[in-house]
Amino acid sequence: DADVTQTPRNRITKTGKRIMLECSQTKGHDRMYWYRQDPGLGLQLIYYSFDVKDINKGEISDGYSVSRQAQAKFSLSLESAIPNQTALYFCATSDSGTSGGTEQFFGPGTRLTVL
Amino acid sequence: SQQGEEDPQALSIQEGENATMNCSYKTSINNLQWYRQNSGRGLVHLILIRSNEREKHSGRLRVTLDTSKKSSSLLITASRAADTASYFCATDRSGANNLFFGTGTRLTVIP
Repeated sequence: DADVTQTPRNRITKTGKRIMLECSQTKGHDRMYWYRQDPGLGLQLIYYSFDVKDINKGEISDGYSVSRQAQAKFSLSLESAIPNQTALYFCATSDSGTSGGTEQFFGPGTRLTVL
Repeated sequence: SQQGEEDPQALSIQEGENATMNCSYKTSINNLQWYRQNSGRGLVHLILIRSNEREKHSGRLRVTLDTSKKSSSLLITASRAADTASYFCATDRSGANNLFFGTGTRLTVIP
């Protein structure tokens, strides 16, 4: 979905390096999410944010941090990348609704490889 | 941990046949959503069914929800090669603030 963009689309890095993945959206949504997807598996929630001053841990937040710089921008950082963080990372957005019940719109994903 | 589990994990059918995928979940939900993912790309929302609904249609898609059995099914009728993708259910769990995704069904439609 062109309304949600992620940069970079692909990244290869080495163990111990700091990596930042960026997400921008033009949908005007309040809510933004970061997920990771491992081969053959579903999505696991890393962090989510319901507005600029709201940050919440998801299922697998260890080893990750996030920053909500503006309503439209939500970045994910790996402070010291390790090989088991090799995965496909997705950013998503949704409009405010009851208990996250509205549909989510996904970016194209970032394929991260940690050597 | 995954909230939903799809069944089967993989499904291969001929073009024109119907495809049925099932999703089971464990806790009370507000709604259940189905998403589609083409290989290596972002998920696309297909349909949402609320906990007080039993069936919903959208084009060639039919979704059912049985809250007593904590299960849902997605039926794609008259399948096309372009329907080849992975399909995920996601539950909006009561008391939670985000969606929980299942492990997905990989559908292959053979031309």
